[in-house]
Amino acid sequence: AQKITQTQPGMFVQEKEAVTLDCTYDTSDPSYGLFWYKQPSSGEMIFLIYQGSYDQQNATEGRYSLNFQKARKSANLVISASQLGDSAMYFCAMRESQGGGSQGNLIFGKGTKLSVKP
Amino acid sequence: DSGVTQTPKHLITATGQRVTLRCSPRSGDLSVYWYQQSLDQGLQFLIQYYNGEERAKGNILERFSAQQFPDLHSELNLSSLELGDSALYFCASSPRDTVNTEAFFGQGTRLTVV
Repeated sequence: AQKITQTQPGMFVQEKEAVTLDCTYDTSDPSYGLFWYKQPSSGEMIFLIYQGSYDQQNATEGRYSLNFQKARKSANLVISASQLGDSAMYFCAMRESQGGGSQGNLIFGKGTKLSVKP
Repeated sequence: DSGVTQTPKHLITATGQRVTLRCSPRSGDLSVYWYQQSLDQGLQFLIQYYNGEERAKGNILERFSAQQFPDLHSELNLSSLELGDSALYFCASSPRDTVNTEAFFGQGTRLTVV
């Protein structure tokens, strides 16, 4: 079973509008972290935002916010006031605590390609 | 700039050959991860080192090996290369590998096997 599911292979949004990129995850570990990364066409992976499983509030970083619904195991990324430079692939990722002193590595979803239209 | 340096940026080599990809983590980061990104497989975790020791292993082929040196830089060795090994190889680093720690990625090495 996939640990991280991103069901939207591609999305379009009009410049200056908000857009939500979906991410659902699967874990039985009570302690985990959720991350979003952006990959522009140039190829580098850029860290955007983090949400911890015990965090009571949704994470925010500038125009990025995370809609964290723990019971539904979803961690959707919301980008407000989209800009042309937001056009990129967006990846959701998770770290689990594997116990025994060994923490988990980052597991990635397949990504969503966001295109911002002028 | 993430502070993670990968060399070379591009590599073209023939089938059957061996190559070494190099990664310098961010200053102070003890953990290094290697990922392979191909069009059909997405981002696949290969292997993780923490302070010189192997910490976790993912879908890494037996033809591939890695190590982390005392100065914390890491190398990924790919041997008996096949066409299907063509991909973007990322190195990432983090100060710890706890669940609340983000990893910072290098710009990647684009490997083309011809």
